[in-house]
Parts: sequence; C-alpha cells; structure tokens
Amino acid sequence: DVKVTQSSRYLVKRTGEKVFLECVQDMDHENMFWYRQDPGLGLRLIYFSYDVKMKEKGDIPEGYSVSREKKERFSLILESASTNQTSMYLCASRTGVGEQYFGPGTRLTVT
Amino acid sequence: RKEVEQDPGPFNVPEGATVAFNCTYSNSASQSFFWYRQDCRKEPKLLMSVYSSGNEDGRFTAQLNRASQYISLLIRDSKLSDSATYLCVVNANTGFQKLVFGTGTRLLVSP
Repeated sequence: DVKVTQSSRYLVKRTGEKVFLECVQDMDHENMFWYRQDPGLGLRLIYFSYDVKMKEKGDIPEGYSVSREKKERFSLILESASTNQTSMYLCASRTGVGEQYFGPGTRLTVT
Repeated sequence: RKEVEQDPGPFNVPEGATVAFNCTYSNSASQSFFWYRQDCRKEPKLLMSVYSSGNEDGRFTAQLNRASQYISLLIRDSKLSDSATYLCVVNANTGFQKLVFGTGTRLLVSP
C-alpha cells in the first residue's frame, strides 16, 4: 500500500520565517511533486522532481525552493514566509505515468 | 482560458439519483484523462482513468469526447458516501507528463 507522509498536518509560522515542509514516500517512486491548494484556484504545481537532486519549476515557483537529496524524500522550503503563502500544501508521488498518490496535506498559516 | 474547466457546483441530489459532471480541456494534444475524488479536508485520490472507448466501474461511468474536448463522469444510484469534490485531471502531454487539475465539482447527496 503506497504511503506518502508529510511532516505536519497543521503549521503556524510568522512572516519572514524560513519554513520547511517534508514529504516522504515509501514506494520507490521516481517522481515527486509539491502543490498548493486554494479555494477557487484548485491544485497548482509549485515544483516537481523526477530524480534525486533533480528539480523543475512548476507553475508557481516564486517564493519557494525544494530539495531532494534522497529518492524517498522531497522537501519544500519557504525562504521567507509571507501571508499570501497561507495555504494547504500537498505532496504527491508517482512512477512514470501511473497513478499519482498524495500525502494528507499540511495546512500552513502565516501570520 | 483555463487548461481544465469544471462547474464548481454544488450539485445537490437525493440518494438514488443519477448525476453527471462535465469537464472541458483546452490542450487538444492531451493524451490521458482521469477523475480524482477529494473528500472534505482530505487528499485527492484516483477514482478512475478515462479511456477513449469510455469505461465503467460499478456505478461510475467515464466518457471522453476528443472532438469536443470534454470528459464526463456519470454516477448512478448515488449514495451518501459519494458526497465529495470530483477533480477532472488531464495529462498536459509535455515532456514530463504533468497533470493539470481542474478546480473540482462538489457533489452533495442527501437522504
């Protein structure tokens, strides 16, 4: 059974803080993704990675960076959190063009 | 124009009703299509893939119309447990096979 886990379900940070969101998958998937989901805007791709140490910008990468040092782990970093980054963050993984599996999400509030 | 467009709903139907959702996509080169289901405050999960010939899984039927660039989901004999948001998902057919998510159609099934 595929499992994608995220480090926190809820997180509250202050403006300007550096924020780390961690994602781990246990199915040896090559591809991993970070999305944010906002009401009325749906899921928007921030960054993705198709291999260790490889990363590609998604549709809304500004204000974010990522790190993938190990195949199972994909981290999203908010270098200096801002209030407009308050959102639900979802990590996902898949192999090739197969089914994409999502983690439970992290609801981040930046005050 | 959005890459994937859906009616946000909500669709309010009684138990036992048949309900259908449509979704339109803008990229005529798209090759793969899916419906994902997202329960309130949960992560999206694959409901079914959509094949050119149409496919059925129990009470759920998905259809693809390439000429008009839309896909549909039909739910027969609605159950209370079908209440959720249904996300239309299209493979962007870029080099990486990025998935593009619609904003979702909300279904509420009442007793």
